[in-house]
Amino acid sequence: DTAVSQTPKYLVTQMGNDKSIKCEQNLGHDTMYWYKQDSKKFLKIMFSYNNKELIINETVPNRFSPKSPDKAHLNLHINSLELGDSAVYFCASSPTGTGVSPLHFGNGTRLTVT
Amino acid sequence: DQQVKQNSPSLSVQEGRISILNCDYTNSMFDYFLWYKKYPAEGPTFLISISSIKDKNEDGRFTVFLNKSAKHLSLHIVPSQPGDSAVYFCAASETGANNLFFGTGTRLTVIP
Repeated sequence: DTAVSQTPKYLVTQMGNDKSIKCEQNLGHDTMYWYKQDSKKFLKIMFSYNNKELIINETVPNRFSPKSPDKAHLNLHINSLELGDSAVYFCASSPTGTGVSPLHFGNGTRLTVT
Repeated sequence: DQQVKQNSPSLSVQEGRISILNCDYTNSMFDYFLWYKKYPAEGPTFLISISSIKDKNEDGRFTVFLNKSAKHLSLHIVPSQPGDSAVYFCAASETGANNLFFGTGTRLTVIP
């Protein structure tokens, strides 16, 4: 009974392709996030959504677009993939903003762009 | 611009001994601090947190200490167990913000 689940776990694709990563949470949380862990193991926020409203976009290229069909889902679409997009992408959720409650993470999607 | 730093990439400790993981931050507006534990091929799992109104928070074998003047926090694990072997991430946030800043992690190995 996974709280935050993301698919696929692994994604290998070629440069220039468009791909999506799906995320679902069954915790009833109001806020969902996408984080990127790069090759230096640095976890950095990409987006957060609160009640279907984008509230953070941390200088992420517009090739990346979050899509939230409802409060329980936050999918990540990536267009025109580049080699530098290779990383592990983590979805997360929290009941409120991060300042007062911890995030619950999914198990990550390892994206490899060749 | 890394606002949360973990300067020790790895730490090895004998089973039963104390593990001390350190974390420094630069943003004086941070008032909520967390430690996460991460096993391979899994997402980070919340371990323990502390708000800036406290200088210590304890949960079983895990204690987090906060030194606001030094902008430093540490995680103590006593006694350390082999199952504690994982990567530990320090994170910090401002109340009301929706961004959690992470350090780069410290890999703890507890030797049986």
